[in-house]
Amino acid sequence: QSALTQPRSVSGSPGQSVTISCTGTSSDVGGYNYVSWYQQYPGKAPKVMIYDVSKRPSGVPDRFSGSKSGNTASLTISGLQAEDEADYFCCSYAGSYTWVFGGGTKLTVL
Amino acid sequence: QLQLQESGPGLVKPSETLSLTCTVSGGSISGTSHYWGWIRQPPGKGLEWIGSISYSGSTYCNPSLKSRVTISGDTSKNQFSLKLSSVAAADTAVYYCARLRSRDGYTFDFWGQGTLVTVSS
Repeated sequence: QSALTQPRSVSGSPGQSVTISCTGTSSDVGGYNYVSWYQQYPGKAPKVMIYDVSKRPSGVPDRFSGSKSGNTASLTISGLQAEDEADYFCCSYAGSYTWVFGGGTKLTVL
Repeated sequence: QLQLQESGPGLVKPSETLSLTCTVSGGSISGTSHYWGWIRQPPGKGLEWIGSISYSGSTYCNPSLKSRVTISGDTSKNQFSLKLSSVAAADTAVYYCARLRSRDGYTFDFWGQGTLVTVSS
């Protein structure tokens, strides 16, 4: 079970859109529609932003959206705001009741 | 509102056993459709799923840690616990407990604040 692959960092200006990728294998991301995305501020616990690839929990702005193609899932944040600057982690079901996370991506709002 | 709180020693010696407890309030760990999990984050690094326990007491662990991990639940106290044996410096991390919702999708939807455990002599 290897960690999912995410870019170390991405950046964008306020108002722009950014996309964070999460690449796994056919045994995790590609095999199930159970990919979730978490936002984490320094020193805080993660917060779910997207689950089941593209579902948004109540209270999460619709600027956040998720998708998947093959073994790669993506989180897109449109209309970037300063408050979106944080670390983002993907997570996927990997079969047999196990889960695997990505290494995390630091989003910088320029 | 569901709340989770981790507790346990913040310092553990190498080769000893790390023991943490997660106390759940605002909901029952024996309620159906939910699992309860442990996730850790070494300083400055990513998240790692350690393992989960189901509402019925079945446990599931990360294959890379399986030989060292024990997860158990105490429904009378509404708590679940983690034991990680033979710890080394690489086990230094913030340890989180979280609920894994398994109804209307799967997601770790409620998290504890996390507790830093340092492995050092």
